[in-house]
Amino acid sequence: EDQVTQSPEALRLQEGESSSLNCSYTVSGLRGLFWYRQDPGKGPEFLFTLYSAGEEKEKERLKATLTKKESFLHITAPKPEDSATYLCAVQGWGGGGADGLTFGKGTHLIIQP
Amino acid sequence: EAGVAQSPRYKIIEKRQSVAFWCNPISGHATLYWYQQILGQGPKLLIQFQNNGVVDDSQLPKDRFSAERLKGVDSTLKIQPAKLEDSAVYLCASSLASGTENGYTFGSGTRLTVV
Repeated sequence: EDQVTQSPEALRLQEGESSSLNCSYTVSGLRGLFWYRQDPGKGPEFLFTLYSAGEEKEKERLKATLTKKESFLHITAPKPEDSATYLCAVQGWGGGGADGLTFGKGTHLIIQP
Repeated sequence: EAGVAQSPRYKIIEKRQSVAFWCNPISGHATLYWYQQILGQGPKLLIQFQNNGVVDDSQLPKDRFSAERLKGVDSTLKIQPAKLEDSAVYLCASSLASGTENGYTFGSGTRLTVV
């Protein structure tokens, strides 16, 4: 059974204070690791897909990295608009075309001005 | 392009009543998913459709939940009878193909409260 554990559960930072969010995972065969952002009252918004250990992707102030057991979402010089819940999910090689995601509980990030 | 449309946005029902949610995916997206997100948790997959066929419903509580996708476009998810623990946000997502580089596009969800 695929499992995803995210830490910390909540994180409060000052504007401009860089930090990292952690996602540890176990999956029988990793097809992809996904990062999503979720704002209150909205559905998750896609950020990145990572496929293999050593891969990195960047988007504005966010950078995602991947190892064989965990992924990190690095936030550099965050702004208040980066406040959201960040969700990590894994996709395994399911049989019969099944490719649904297994999500972690998320990290609730608050950036204070 | 228009996003994934879901309705209603909110629904309050009493336990043992029935309820249905509707989803209209992005045009051309063959794959459609329903997820359940309980407060404070990440989304949990309930069912996956490829066109109008079910690919994975292993986590769908089939004694009370049902879903269909007629003509491979719109989908409905039904709960009958509802229990208090079904209170959650029900998210619909769609994608062009599986395992896409661009992930899946989610709708804003239907928030269900069972009292």
